[in-house]
Amino acid sequence: DGGITQSPKYLFRKEGQNVTLSCEQNLNHDAMYWYRQDPGQGLRLIYYSQIVNDFQKGDIAEGYSVSREKKESFPLTVTSAQKNPTAFYLCATRTGVTANEKLFFGSGTQLSVL
Amino acid sequence: AQSVTQLDSQVPVFEEAPVELRCNYSSSVSVYLFWYVQYPNQGLQLLLKYLSGSTLVKGINGFEAEFNKSQTSFHLRKPSVHISDTAEYFCAVSALRPGGYNKLIFGAGTRLAVHP
Repeated sequence: DGGITQSPKYLFRKEGQNVTLSCEQNLNHDAMYWYRQDPGQGLRLIYYSQIVNDFQKGDIAEGYSVSREKKESFPLTVTSAQKNPTAFYLCATRTGVTANEKLFFGSGTQLSVL
Repeated sequence: AQSVTQLDSQVPVFEEAPVELRCNYSSSVSVYLFWYVQYPNQGLQLLLKYLSGSTLVKGINGFEAEFNKSQTSFHLRKPSVHISDTAEYFCAVSALRPGGYNKLIFGAGTRLAVHP
């Protein structure tokens, strides 16, 4: 079954704790992305990676970190520096980085603060 | 820089009625335009996209959109909606920027609620 797997589906974070959201893909796509979704604000780009061992900050990278050690995996860590982490997090992939290619999305992780 | 404005945050409509979800964009360069749909607690999936050519674009599930360059709009339409069309719809724009990263900018979304 091809696609993008995000886990866990629901995640709770205690104050001062770092948490990691998993994103795995078997689509053989080069580019991977993390978006944050808040009600009424659409999707905002956190980090993106166009190739293994390389990643770039998006519009709201503060308080987040990523790694891209394998083509299939692009985990996102929400650090204690992110003061308002409650949101729906979406991982996406794209075959390349040209502007006309569509994004494929995972089913998301809902992160809440205890 | 590019931006996207979805003019309605919520659109209620009765089943089998027509619907139009409005999207306006701004950009100093040529763009590609997209509509994505998100069902509850799921990721987004592509409905349709405009790259070039005919300004009327047909997508999945009976949706279509019309690109209007002079009005910088890309409104989404469906002639007869079903209960199953209840979802959030996102308009997005990606600039043609050769050699650089082509970021996809999303609008804030329009929640379509179809009532029986």
